[in-house]
Amino acid sequence: DARVTQTPRHKVTEMGQEVTMRCQPILGHNTVFWYRQTMMQGLELLAYFRNRAPLDDSGMPKDRFSAEMPDATLATLKIQPSEPRDSAVYFCASGPPRQGTQPQHFGDGTRLSIL
Amino acid sequence: AQSVTQLGSHVSVSEGALVLLRCNYSSSVPPYLFWYVQYPNQGLQLLLKYTSAATLVKGINGFEAEFKKSETSFHLTKPSAHMSDAAEYFCALISGNTPLVFGKGTRLSVIA
Repeated sequence: DARVTQTPRHKVTEMGQEVTMRCQPILGHNTVFWYRQTMMQGLELLAYFRNRAPLDDSGMPKDRFSAEMPDATLATLKIQPSEPRDSAVYFCASGPPRQGTQPQHFGDGTRLSIL
Repeated sequence: AQSVTQLGSHVSVSEGALVLLRCNYSSSVPPYLFWYVQYPNQGLQLLLKYTSAATLVKGINGFEAEFKKSETSFHLTKPSAHMSDAAEYFCALISGNTPLVFGKGTRLSVIA
């Protein structure tokens, strides 16, 4: 089965460090989503891309977060500098053409802990 | 603004009993509605979706949901719970061209 692949699966680092999370969407999917999951806030959309162009990143703290798609097979989410409140599970999801804004497949997430 | 409300953050049922997970929505335009399931340490998996065709939608693993416009509801049911159904379930909505909005989730426990 086709899968969305996220790396790393776990990341523990100290406050102030740069964190980079990577996502390989399913081949042929042209929409990529980044979500953050916490106990308090649940699932929040951070950003999403279509055909590698950012369509909406209003859910992302602009001063420290950035999301890019260097090519169709890689999406990145960076946090610099990281803070303890960024600790969460970050999910990437992708969707095929004509699926609109519904993510079809989710990766298994990156569990991030900022000390 | 569109929103999704899941009633009950935790539901516990006996194995073999009916599963009912409640979801109500608010939307200014006809919505598309979804149920996702999340197993521990995994991402979300689409269970089923309503896209304005049949109001009773059948999904994977024996689950189904019924869209009721008059009640603004999209409750998820399964006639007989199995131990493997224990997971977190999320109701979600797309309204117009807005991105998917998730409810807070309901954790389902199945008791042997």
